[in-house]
Amino acid sequence: DIQMTQSPSSMSASVGDRVTITCRASQGISDYLAWYQQKPGKVPNLLIYGASILQSGVPSRFSGSGSGTDFTLTISSLQPEDVATYYCQKYNSALWTFGQGTKVEIK
Amino acid sequence: EVQLVQSGAEVKKPGESLKISCKGSGYSFSNNWIGWVRQMPGKGLEWMGVIYPGDSDTRYSPSFQGQVTISADKSINTAYLQWSSLRASDTAMYYCARQSFHMDYWGRGTLVTVSS
Repeated sequence: DIQMTQSPSSMSASVGDRVTITCRASQGISDYLAWYQQKPGKVPNLLIYGASILQSGVPSRFSGSGSGTDFTLTISSLQPEDVATYYCQKYNSALWTFGQGTKVEIK
Repeated sequence: EVQLVQSGAEVKKPGESLKISCKGSGYSFSNNWIGWVRQMPGKGLEWMGVIYPGDSDTRYSPSFQGQVTISADKSINTAYLQWSSLRASDTAMYYCARQSFHMDYWGRGTLVTVSS
């Protein structure tokens, strides 16, 4: 099965900073990659699908890029409400797998 | 409005069986996959498996194959996740979600606690 490696596992940044989280697949997955945000004690929320398509209602400071094996989630200007754990999820061959998660905190 | 309503929290003993549910509304339940996700306490998300209620086509993560059973009753727009013999390690929050290549609508989760 294709493995997903997400990095970093945790990070701390200041309000207004640009934040980048990466997800690497062990084999190519085209653009079958989604990103989710899970705030503490809350249900996961879809941010990005198709590697770069912003889900309706998600702030435009979130963006996704990449194709094949390397993918990136970017928060252009970190806000206090963005404190959360972020997960990538891949699809291939009728199997879906989440990355290990990246915990984002405010400095 | 798309909604997925999950059954309430459960407290069970090791060895007991359990079936939790996820009822969809506001969309064509039969024609959309429903996936299940486990989140153990303080841990990340784990994709367990998925079912297509229209024909009950089911796929499992290799990690969960044989450990759980996913089913659905399209007549009442409900999907299920069941265990025949629970273990303490099954203690977790379980989410259902509408699934295509991604999971766009999620239930609020069912907390399952297994303890003697």
